[in-house]
Amino acid sequence: QQQVKQSPQSLIVQKGGISIINCAYENTAFDYFPWYQQFPGKGPALLIAIRPDVSEKKEGRFTISFNKSAKQFSLHIMDSQPGDSATYFCAASKRNDYKLSFGAGTTVTVRA
Amino acid sequence: SQTIHQWPATLVQPVGSPLSLECTVEGTSNPNLYWYRQAAGRGLQLLFYSVGIGQISSEVPQNLSASRPQDRQFILSSKKLLLSDSGFYLCAFGTGDRSPLHFGNGTRLTVT
Repeated sequence: QQQVKQSPQSLIVQKGGISIINCAYENTAFDYFPWYQQFPGKGPALLIAIRPDVSEKKEGRFTISFNKSAKQFSLHIMDSQPGDSATYFCAASKRNDYKLSFGAGTTVTVRA
Repeated sequence: SQTIHQWPATLVQPVGSPLSLECTVEGTSNPNLYWYRQAAGRGLQLLFYSVGIGQISSEVPQNLSASRPQDRQFILSSKKLLLSDSGFYLCAFGTGDRSPLHFGNGTRLTVT
């Protein structure tokens, strides 16, 4: 069963708009939440990660928001650019667990 | 710096033929190693992972096997490929629990 539920499956946004991807989890032991970006034909690459002791982390145009009580976290892509068109995966992990639980992925298309 | 090499980039194999995909890591010792498979337009399915030489954990019972003959070498094998083995195979490494995974560029396998 999928331990991290990701939505939407795909989204289309105009250049300059905001892309929002949401993830939810059940296991309260999770304490590391990375996001990966994957371009076609390439392996996923770490984009940004957050731990539950902060509610928000920003790196450039990418922001993770984290709501511990709701067990949800989201990725916001501000001022979306065509080069941001990719598949994005959220993931979660916990202490002494060497595996990441991945969401199903969201394909983002940014139209010029 | 830490790098991961995965080859070949593409492979076309007939049904019933054997398979060997190789992955090597540089720049770190005793990495955790992973094999993932990604079907077209789908998420990341963990196949095998290893936290040390000779130690392999299988996540999904199937037609594939993995081996770790050296600290930084991970091999994915099959004795007889099935059509359903087609997909995008990704090797990854990590350096501990709750640490990011670093993916290779993948092998596109087509079984005909």
